[in-house]
Amino acid sequence: NAGVTQTPKFQVLKTGQSMTLQCAQDMNHNSMYWYRQDPGMGLRLIYYSASEGTTDKGEVPNGYNVSRLNKREFSLRLESAAPSQTSVYFCASSELGTTNSPLHFGNGTRLTVT
Amino acid sequence: AQKVTQAQTEISVVEKEDVTLDCVYETRDTTYYLFWYKQPPSGELVFLIRRNSFDEQNEISGRYSWNFQKSTSSFNFTITASQVVDSAVYFCALSTLLISSGSARQLTFGSGTQLTVLP
Repeated sequence: NAGVTQTPKFQVLKTGQSMTLQCAQDMNHNSMYWYRQDPGMGLRLIYYSASEGTTDKGEVPNGYNVSRLNKREFSLRLESAAPSQTSVYFCASSELGTTNSPLHFGNGTRLTVT
Repeated sequence: AQKVTQAQTEISVVEKEDVTLDCVYETRDTTYYLFWYKQPPSGELVFLIRRNSFDEQNEISGRYSWNFQKSTSSFNFTITASQVVDSAVYFCALSTLLISSGSARQLTFGSGTQLTVLP
């Protein structure tokens, strides 16, 4: 049971480069999320997808785009990376309509932008 | 707006001591859920406990216990007889509905408390 799988685990980019972070879940969850974690700030929501075919902005969406490719996969794209996007990125999933289920997190992607 | 405050940035204790991690939250929702997550040095986020806003009973799970007080908007976490393996960052989080989503929920995290248990 893999749960939530994120790739890659580590990435170094130069300012202005683009990349896509991949996330897949095998729990048949409807909702998926992207968070970023910065020192002293906890985790902040970037984008979420309540169900297949829908995406919405979270707290810190600027500089990012997302695609809910299908029910399993939810990708995060940085079109033109900036040093401020150096962070650890977590993908998560949860059951839509289940109000008390915890979010299930992937192991994170550590991104450095130089 | 939702907010979670973990005022203790870092705590250091000696093994076998008890330690309490504080969490204070703010929300206007009448129905909400509170969580604690553990993030060990390996980096993954491990779910510890969930509590809904209608259940104020304290909970104990082994060496872990949680005290939920709605009157003070607090959800504190106590580790009894701490062990070195308890060293981690602990996050308190508040789960509320994302209104535009219909029923998806988001977690609003506190900034975390780094717990170091010394041998």
